Amino acid sequence: QVHLVQSGVEVKKPGASVKVSCKASGYTFNNYGISWVRQAPGQGLEWMGWISLYNGNTNYAQNLQGRVTMTTDTSTSTAYMELRSLTSDDTATYYCARVFYDSSGYFYFDYWGQGTLVTVSS
Amino acid sequence: DIQMTQSPSSLSASVGDRVTISCRASQSISSFLNWYQQKPGKAPKLLIYAASSLQSGVPSRFSGSGSGTDFTLTISSLQPEDFATYYCQQSYSTPLLTFGGGTRVEIK
Repeated sequence: QVHLVQSGVEVKKPGASVKVSCKASGYTFNNYGISWVRQAPGQGLEWMGWISLYNGNTNYAQNLQGRVTMTTDTSTSTAYMELRSLTSDDTATYYCARVFYDSSGYFYFDYWGQGTLVTVSS
Repeated sequence: DIQMTQSPSSLSASVGDRVTISCRASQSISSFLNWYQQKPGKAPKLLIYAASSLQSGVPSRFSGSGSGTDFTLTISSLQPEDFATYYCQQSYSTPLLTFGGGTRVEIK
């Protein structure tokens, strides 16, 4: 059974960085990508980026370029998302999701982590 | 960037009602369109991928249709557990994805 388990609640001050982890189990980690999506309180879903486990390539949302880094540790089947220079606008629940993609170009998020609340406050 | 616009932003319906939610893309995205359901305090859940393919384990009362720029999610007979927020997502410009703004389905 596929599970993605994320790290716990974070409280950070403006200007700090946060690193959220996402531990995968129940499937071959290297066969899928991992994407990150965030949701500000009472707002919709915002795609942040993804990392391919096939070749390690990353793609980030334009508005986060330069502040976000997505990595993986294949030895522990864990994905990480680091966000730097935090502001109050980064207060949100952050989700990781397994990315399914095939040769037809279909790409979707079939399993999700439980979410990690990150609060940025002075 | 491809923009996704959902309508309505919210709706009220009764158990047993047929519900339709629309999603429009700012340019043609063929059938590269996914639908997710999110309940309060929970992670989203995949319902439909490739515009009309039902994800394993999702009840058959959910269906998706459309191609190009206009898409629809239909719930044939609304159940109590279906009250949630629904999001469309385009994957045409993979890996740069965008979600619609969401449609909240509330109890009438």
